[in-house]
Amino acid sequence: NAGVTQTPKFRILKIGQSMTLQCTQDMNHNYMYWYRQDPGMGLKLIYYSVGAGITDKGEVPNGYNVSRSTTEDFPLRLELAAPSQTSVYFCASSLQGGQPQHFGDGTRLSIL
Amino acid sequence: AQKVTQAQTEISVVEKEDVTLDCVYETRDTTYYLFWYKQPPSGELVFLIRRNSFDEQNEISGRYSWNFQKSTSSFNFTITASQVVDSAVYFCALSEGYGNKLVFGAGTILRVKS
Repeated sequence: NAGVTQTPKFRILKIGQSMTLQCTQDMNHNYMYWYRQDPGMGLKLIYYSVGAGITDKGEVPNGYNVSRSTTEDFPLRLELAAPSQTSVYFCASSLQGGQPQHFGDGTRLSIL
Repeated sequence: AQKVTQAQTEISVVEKEDVTLDCVYETRDTTYYLFWYKQPPSGELVFLIRRNSFDEQNEISGRYSWNFQKSTSSFNFTITASQVVDSAVYFCALSEGYGNKLVFGAGTILRVKS
Protein backbone atom coordinates (compact mmCIF):
# COMPACT_ATOMS: atom_id res chain seq x y z
CA ASN A 1 0.00 0.00 0.00
CA ALA A 2 2.87 2.37 -0.83
CA GLY A 3 1.15 5.07 -2.95
CA VAL A 4 3.68 7.81 -3.77
CA THR A 5 7.18 7.27 -2.42
CA GLN A 6 9.81 9.99 -2.27
CA THR A 7 13.48 9.59 -1.46
CA PRO A 8 15.41 10.92 0.31
CA LYS A 9 13.36 12.44 3.16
CA PHE A 10 16.07 14.92 4.10
CA ARG A 11 19.16 16.23 2.36
CA ILE A 12 21.68 18.98 2.83
CA LEU A 13 23.53 20.22 -0.24
CA LYS A 14 26.29 22.69 -0.77
CA ILE A 15 25.84 25.55 -3.21
CA GLY A 16 26.65 24.39 -6.73
CA GLN A 17 26.10 20.69 -6.08
CA SER A 18 23.51 18.72 -8.02
CA MET A 19 21.17 15.97 -6.97
CA THR A 20 18.12 13.99 -8.04
CA LEU A 21 14.98 13.69 -5.95
CA GLN A 22 13.31 10.37 -6.61
CA CYS A 23 9.58 9.80 -6.88
CA THR A 24 7.77 6.59 -7.68
CA GLN A 25 4.10 5.63 -7.57
CA ASP A 26 2.46 2.23 -7.69
CA MET A 27 -1.10 3.29 -8.48
CA ASN A 28 -0.67 3.23 -12.27
CA HIS A 29 -1.49 6.93 -12.40
CA ASN A 30 -0.93 8.75 -15.67
CA TYR A 31 -0.29 12.19 -14.22
CA MET A 32 2.62 13.09 -11.96
CA TYR A 33 3.68 16.41 -10.46
CA TRP A 34 6.47 18.11 -8.56
CA TYR A 35 5.75 20.95 -6.15
CA ARG A 36 7.82 23.00 -3.78
CA GLN A 37 6.55 24.44 -0.52
CA ASP A 38 8.38 27.35 1.01
CA PRO A 39 7.81 28.22 4.71
CA GLY A 40 4.36 29.70 5.32
CA MET A 41 3.39 29.34 1.68
CA GLY A 42 1.22 27.14 -0.42
CA LEU A 43 2.60 24.66 -2.91
CA LYS A 44 3.90 25.83 -6.25
CA LEU A 45 4.04 23.57 -9.29
CA ILE A 46 7.52 23.00 -10.71
CA TYR A 47 6.90 20.43 -13.47
CA TYR A 48 4.26 17.93 -14.36
CA SER A 49 3.81 14.96 -16.68
CA VAL A 50 0.68 13.57 -18.28
CA GLY A 51 2.31 10.29 -19.26
CA ALA A 52 5.58 8.56 -20.00
CA GLY A 53 7.73 10.66 -22.31
CA ILE A 54 5.68 13.84 -21.80
CA THR A 55 6.63 16.63 -19.42
CA ASP A 56 5.74 20.29 -19.14
CA LYS A 57 6.68 23.31 -17.07
CA GLY A 58 4.71 24.53 -14.15
CA GLU A 59 4.86 27.87 -12.38
CA VAL A 60 8.47 27.73 -11.09
CA PRO A 61 10.58 25.48 -13.38
CA ASN A 62 13.85 27.43 -13.43
CA GLY A 63 16.80 25.50 -11.99
CA TYR A 64 15.09 22.11 -12.30
CA ASN A 65 14.76 19.34 -14.83
CA VAL A 66 12.55 16.28 -15.03
CA SER A 67 12.15 13.14 -17.09
CA ARG A 68 9.43 10.53 -17.31
CA SER A 69 10.70 7.34 -18.91
CA THR A 70 8.19 5.07 -17.14
CA THR A 71 4.68 5.46 -15.77
CA GLU A 72 5.93 4.82 -12.24
CA ASP A 73 8.91 7.16 -11.92
CA PHE A 74 9.24 10.92 -12.14
CA PRO A 75 12.64 12.12 -10.87
CA LEU A 76 13.40 15.80 -10.29
CA ARG A 77 16.94 16.99 -10.90
CA LEU A 78 18.53 20.07 -9.40
CA GLU A 79 21.55 21.36 -11.28
CA LEU A 80 23.85 23.88 -9.57
CA ALA A 81 21.93 24.07 -6.31
CA ALA A 82 21.25 27.57 -4.97
CA PRO A 83 20.10 28.74 -1.51
CA SER A 84 16.78 29.84 -3.07
CA GLN A 85 16.03 26.18 -3.73
CA THR A 86 15.90 25.40 -0.01
CA SER A 87 12.38 24.09 0.38
CA VAL A 88 10.20 21.07 0.95
CA TYR A 89 9.54 19.19 -2.26
CA PHE A 90 6.41 17.15 -2.81
CA CYS A 91 5.73 14.67 -5.57
CA ALA A 92 2.13 13.81 -6.41
CA SER A 93 0.19 11.67 -8.83
CA SER A 94 -3.35 11.44 -10.14
CA LEU A 95 -5.19 9.11 -12.45
CA GLN A 96 -5.93 11.99 -14.81
CA GLY A 97 -6.36 15.74 -14.79
CA GLY A 98 -8.97 17.09 -12.42
CA GLN A 99 -8.76 14.04 -10.17
CA PRO A 100 -7.51 14.28 -6.58
CA GLN A 101 -3.74 14.23 -6.35
CA HIS A 102 -2.04 11.80 -4.00
CA PHE A 103 1.07 13.21 -2.38
CA GLY A 104 4.29 11.70 -1.14
CA ASP A 105 5.61 12.57 2.30
CA GLY A 106 7.98 15.20 0.96
CA THR A 107 11.73 15.78 0.77
CA ARG A 108 13.16 18.51 2.99
CA LEU A 109 16.11 20.03 1.14
CA SER A 110 18.53 22.57 2.58
CA ILE A 111 21.20 24.26 0.48
CA LEU A 112 24.00 25.92 2.39
CA ALA B 1 -4.89 33.38 -14.87
CA GLN B 2 -6.09 31.26 -12.01
CA LYS B 3 -5.68 32.40 -8.43
CA VAL B 4 -6.74 31.23 -5.00
CA THR B 5 -6.96 33.53 -1.98
CA GLN B 6 -7.17 32.34 1.59
CA ALA B 7 -7.37 35.59 3.48
CA GLN B 8 -7.22 34.03 6.94
CA THR B 9 -3.58 33.37 7.74
CA GLU B 10 -4.24 31.84 11.14
CA ILE B 11 -7.31 31.00 13.20
CA SER B 12 -7.39 29.91 16.83
CA VAL B 13 -10.46 28.35 18.39
CA VAL B 14 -11.32 26.44 21.51
CA GLU B 15 -12.35 22.83 21.19
CA LYS B 16 -16.02 22.30 20.26
CA GLU B 17 -16.29 25.67 18.55
CA ASP B 18 -17.36 25.78 14.91
CA VAL B 19 -14.91 27.34 12.49
CA THR B 20 -15.14 28.39 8.83
CA LEU B 21 -12.14 28.63 6.55
CA ASP B 22 -12.61 30.96 3.61
CA CYS B 23 -11.48 30.39 0.04
CA VAL B 24 -12.00 32.75 -2.88
CA TYR B 25 -10.88 31.82 -6.37
CA GLU B 26 -10.39 33.49 -9.73
CA THR B 27 -10.63 31.78 -13.09
CA ARG B 28 -11.77 32.57 -16.61
CA ASP B 29 -12.67 28.97 -17.40
CA THR B 30 -16.19 27.67 -17.10
CA THR B 31 -14.85 24.21 -16.33
CA TYR B 32 -12.68 23.91 -13.26
CA TYR B 33 -12.15 21.90 -10.10
CA LEU B 34 -11.79 23.02 -6.51
CA PHE B 35 -10.06 21.09 -3.77
CA TRP B 36 -9.33 21.23 -0.07
CA TYR B 37 -6.26 19.57 1.42
CA LYS B 38 -5.17 19.21 5.03
CA GLN B 39 -1.54 19.34 6.14
CA PRO B 40 -1.18 18.17 9.75
CA PRO B 41 1.95 18.95 11.78
CA SER B 42 3.53 15.74 10.49
CA GLY B 43 3.72 17.40 7.08
CA GLU B 44 1.88 15.12 4.68
CA LEU B 45 -0.93 16.41 2.48
CA VAL B 46 -4.31 14.78 2.87
CA PHE B 47 -7.04 15.17 0.27
CA LEU B 48 -10.39 16.22 1.75
CA ILE B 49 -12.76 17.08 -1.10
CA ARG B 50 -13.06 17.86 -4.81
CA ARG B 51 -15.81 19.88 -6.46
CA ASN B 52 -16.30 20.55 -10.16
CA SER B 53 -17.67 23.83 -11.45
CA PHE B 54 -20.97 22.31 -12.54
CA ASP B 55 -21.88 20.97 -9.13
CA GLU B 56 -22.83 23.66 -6.64
CA GLN B 57 -24.38 21.29 -4.17
CA ASN B 58 -23.04 21.72 -0.69
CA GLU B 59 -21.49 18.68 0.89
CA ILE B 60 -21.33 17.35 4.40
CA SER B 61 -18.99 14.66 5.63
CA GLY B 62 -19.22 14.07 9.34
CA ARG B 63 -18.09 17.26 11.07
CA TYR B 64 -16.88 18.76 7.78
CA SER B 65 -19.01 20.72 5.35
CA TRP B 66 -18.29 22.73 2.24
CA ASN B 67 -20.20 25.64 0.75
CA PHE B 68 -19.57 26.29 -2.95
CA GLN B 69 -21.00 29.53 -4.36
CA LYS B 70 -20.15 30.41 -7.95
CA SER B 71 -21.85 33.80 -7.60
CA THR B 72 -19.19 34.89 -5.12
CA SER B 73 -16.40 32.59 -6.40
CA SER B 74 -16.07 31.05 -2.98
CA PHE B 75 -15.58 27.54 -1.68
CA ASN B 76 -15.65 27.74 2.10
CA PHE B 77 -14.95 24.93 4.53
CA THR B 78 -16.63 24.59 7.92
CA ILE B 79 -15.59 22.32 10.75
CA THR B 80 -18.33 21.76 13.32
CA ALA B 81 -17.44 21.02 16.93
CA SER B 82 -13.72 21.35 16.29
CA GLN B 83 -11.25 18.98 17.92
CA VAL B 84 -7.58 19.27 18.75
CA VAL B 85 -6.83 16.76 15.97
CA ASP B 86 -8.19 19.27 13.48
CA SER B 87 -5.17 21.48 14.12
CA ALA B 88 -3.39 21.71 10.78
CA VAL B 89 -2.78 23.91 7.78
CA TYR B 90 -5.65 23.79 5.33
CA PHE B 91 -5.15 24.54 1.65
CA CYS B 92 -7.72 25.40 -0.95
CA ALA B 93 -6.68 24.69 -4.55
CA LEU B 94 -8.01 25.23 -8.08
CA SER B 95 -7.38 23.56 -11.42
CA GLU B 96 -8.77 24.90 -14.68
CA GLY B 97 -10.03 22.90 -17.60
CA TYR B 98 -9.05 19.25 -17.30
CA GLY B 99 -6.80 19.95 -14.37
CA ASN B 100 -3.21 19.66 -15.49
CA LYS B 101 -2.10 22.43 -13.15
CA LEU B 102 -3.19 22.85 -9.55
CA VAL B 103 -2.85 26.30 -7.99
CA PHE B 104 -2.83 26.44 -4.20
CA GLY B 105 -3.81 29.18 -1.85
CA ALA B 106 -1.31 30.22 0.82
CA GLY B 107 -3.12 28.12 3.43
CA THR B 108 -4.86 28.81 6.72
CA ILE B 109 -3.28 27.62 9.96
CA LEU B 110 -5.97 26.29 12.28
CA ARG B 111 -5.11 25.91 15.96
CA VAL B 112 -7.66 24.16 18.13
CA LYS B 113 -6.99 24.48 21.85
CA SER B 114 -8.35 22.14 24.48
